[in-house]
Amino acid sequence: EVQLVETGGGLVQPGRSLKLSCVASGFTFNNYWMSWTRQAPGKGLEWVASITNSGGSTYYPDSVKGRFTISRDNAQNTLYLQMNSLRSEDTATYYCTRYPRRMAPYYFDYWGQGVMVTVSS
Amino acid sequence: EIVLTQSPTTMAASPGEKVTLTCRASSSVSYMHWYQQRSGTSPKLWIYETSKLASGVPNRFSGSGSGTSYSLTINSMETEDAATYYCQQGSSYPLTFGSGTKLEIK
Repeated sequence: EVQLVETGGGLVQPGRSLKLSCVASGFTFNNYWMSWTRQAPGKGLEWVASITNSGGSTYYPDSVKGRFTISRDNAQNTLYLQMNSLRSEDTATYYCTRYPRRMAPYYFDYWGQGVMVTVSS
Repeated sequence: EIVLTQSPTTMAASPGEKVTLTCRASSSVSYMHWYQQRSGTSPKLWIYETSKLASGVPNRFSGSGSGTSYSLTINSMETEDAATYYCQQGSSYPLTFGSGTKLEIK
């Protein structure tokens, strides 16, 4: 059974940093591209970052580019999201998601339970 | 960036009623994907590559469309189908989602 378990969320002040982790199990982690997607309270879904299976390439939307860094440790079956210079608009539930394919069309076949990040003073 | 517009924003349907949700893209995309999110839970892949049902999805659901216009149809609404449905395009980065359609049971 595929499982994605996120940790590391919490309350953080604006301008500070936070690092999320996602431990994967039930599949061969190093075969799959991975991603983070977020959902602000009461709002829709927003893609945040993606990484190839080797970690050699990463992708970000303009809203987080230069502030967030996605990485992975294939030996530990773990995905990370380093979030710097956090803003109030980054407040959201962050989901770890898996790509079933390495080429377009891109979509997400498994989602974690999510971890809440609150940016507030 | 490809903007996805879903309609309606909210709707209510009676058990047994046929339901159609739409998603329009600001530019042509090759496929559309749909997710179901029930209250308080994580989204689930529901329909992928426009018309393929994800594992475990009842066959009263179907997807169709091409270019800039896509739809998700429920042949006969059931109570368990009450949820928010999001469309998503994966043809180009940035990957984008629609704002969702909240489907309620009457």
